[in-house]
Amino acid sequence: NAGVTQTPKFQVLKTGQSMTLQCAQDMNHNSMYWYRQDPGMGLRLIYYSASEGTTDKGEVPNGYNVSRLNKREFSLRLESAAPSQTSVYFCASSEAHEWRWGYTFGSGTRLTVV
Amino acid sequence: EDKVVQSPLSLVVHEGDTVTLNCSYEVTNFRSLLWYKQEKKAPTFLFMLTSSGIEKKSGRLSSILDKKELFSILNITATQTGDSAIYLCAVPPGKGAGAGSYQLTFGKGTKLSVIP
Repeated sequence: NAGVTQTPKFQVLKTGQSMTLQCAQDMNHNSMYWYRQDPGMGLRLIYYSASEGTTDKGEVPNGYNVSRLNKREFSLRLESAAPSQTSVYFCASSEAHEWRWGYTFGSGTRLTVV
Repeated sequence: EDKVVQSPLSLVVHEGDTVTLNCSYEVTNFRSLLWYKQEKKAPTFLFMLTSSGIEKKSGRLSSILDKKELFSILNITATQTGDSAIYLCAVPPGKGAGAGSYQLTFGKGTKLSVIP
């Protein structure tokens, strides 16, 4: 099915470990985004990529890096995980010039840092 | 900085009740406002309201945009247990915010629980 695919779905890390969350979309969308969702905090933007070759910081970028590998793929890296990064992470994509349907979200990655 | 405030943060109702969820926003050169429903996993799109369309309806759900008072409401009539979810409101950057500026600002959401 067409959409946004995130991997892994679940992950437990020890403090200080690193990992990369993968995201791929097959809708030929230009823009991709990484959000985190914490209880009572809604969705907060970490990084986004308006188009292939560009990335920009969002509201909460500290502790994260991103790579827009190609038009399909946008990865999020935690270099040294901290317990404060325990959260549910969502990747999303959109067609930059069409807001009719908003974002398409991936199914999320539940990350626990111990 | 764009701002979205939703209220209430949580709500418990009985099946058959009608509920109203609120969303106020602050964005320069408003473009649109979006509503999402989030059940167990990813948010799914419900409505988009723009400056040219102030009301949307889809079955038991409807949404109104008040451009003057800068808020939107989401109404759900004859609620069912399947309506239990977090409802999210979001706005994109305003017109003229810059090329490629399509990142959404979300409110904290309203958690709706419908009791049988």
